[in-house]
Amino acid sequence: NAGVTQTPKFQVLKTGQSMTLQCAQDMNHEYMSWYRQDPGMGLRLIHYSVGAGITDQGEVPNGYNVSRSTTEDFPLRLLSAAPSQTSVYFCASRVGTAGNTIYFGEGSWLTVV
Amino acid sequence: DQQVKQNSPSLSVQEGRISILNCDYTNSMFDYFLWYKKYPAEGPTFLISISSIKDKNEDGRFTVFLNKSAKHLSLHIVPSQPGDSAVYFCAASAGIGGAQKLVFGQGTRLTINP
Repeated sequence: NAGVTQTPKFQVLKTGQSMTLQCAQDMNHEYMSWYRQDPGMGLRLIHYSVGAGITDQGEVPNGYNVSRSTTEDFPLRLLSAAPSQTSVYFCASRVGTAGNTIYFGEGSWLTVV
Repeated sequence: DQQVKQNSPSLSVQEGRISILNCDYTNSMFDYFLWYKKYPAEGPTFLISISSIKDKNEDGRFTVFLNKSAKHLSLHIVPSQPGDSAVYFCAASAGIGGAQKLVFGQGTRLTINP
């Protein structure tokens, strides 16, 4: 019963490098999303997807790309890392029609130096 | 523009007493509200929710109250237990199309003292 799995858990990047945060869920959830958590700001939505092949921007999408080629996976790409992207990233998923309960992964701690 | 606000960054309560966490919102389109609990180094976990058609929802020790006219909701935990020590986030969404787009407050760190 893996739920929502994120990798890596910790990562240090240099400014300008690119990387991908992986997210996979085994619950056959239609909706998946990425949030970032910064001190004093709660969680903010980066991108979300309502199904395979469909993605849309959230509140803070700049500097990030996503794709949804399968129901299970929703990777988040940092194109050219900046120190402002130092944060904790959470992937989340939920069933499409069963209310608003969203299940979160354990988080990925990213530091950009 | 913070649409969902938790104005108390921290709260300390004695074990066995009631914990009350507050949340205010500004967007009148929000129609579903949730509370999440978060331990260090873990992802948030769903605690309780309430639809805008209700003013109260109860689940065991946890009760959420919604005052639509004041755009205010609160989470009551009775009795408080040491395991309740965590950061609590309130979140809101607007309409079916917004159901996957939660807007979160800044969080309140609850500490239960033995």
